[in-house]
Amino acid sequence: AQKITQTQPGMFVQEKEAVTLDCTYDTSDPSYGLFWYKQPSSGEMIFLIYQGSYDQQNATEGRYSLNFQKARKSANLVISASQLGDSAMYFCAMREGRTGGFKTIFGAGTRLFVKA
Amino acid sequence: GAVVSQHPSWVICKSGTSVKIECRSLDFQATTMFWYRQFPKQSLMLMATSNEGSKATYEQGVEKDKFLINHASLTLSTLTVTSAHPEDSSFYICSARGGQHENIQYFGAGTRLSVL
Repeated sequence: AQKITQTQPGMFVQEKEAVTLDCTYDTSDPSYGLFWYKQPSSGEMIFLIYQGSYDQQNATEGRYSLNFQKARKSANLVISASQLGDSAMYFCAMREGRTGGFKTIFGAGTRLFVKA
Repeated sequence: GAVVSQHPSWVICKSGTSVKIECRSLDFQATTMFWYRQFPKQSLMLMATSNEGSKATYEQGVEKDKFLINHASLTLSTLTVTSAHPEDSSFYICSARGGQHENIQYFGAGTRLSVL
């Protein structure tokens, strides 16, 4: 069974608008971490934001915020004021605790296109 | 954020030769390093996890004799693709976590391997 699901293979957003990239996860471990990474065409994986399973508040990092809905097991990434440089592949990832061997697994990714 | 350096960024080799890829954490001590493989337009697939000074833990289906991983120090891990064949051609990317960056995995820029 898929542990990380990103249902949007591709998304378009107009420059300066906000966009939400969806991510749902599946785990029985009470302790886990959720991550979003950006991968531009150059291939490097750029860390964007982290949310711990016990964190009470949604994580924010500049224009990035993570909409953490624990009961629904979703961890959507919201990018505000989109810029042309935001065009890239975005991966949601989860690291489980002991039951998952502390490994980080990635979703299939969402390709974001920002239109001028 | 932390800096993870990966070299080389691109390598072309003949079938049957071995290729070594280096991954260094430049400004933190990486107690755990990870090696991933990424096929075109696909997500990252975890190959193995290594802790400093101990043998790597390989994921199911990954040949440990084909992909030799050494994590000899807290700042360096190497992946050697032995007797490379065209089907080993791929994008290999390392990541590391540790020290003050225990929660976050930081990634190298990746190595594109082409085996002729």
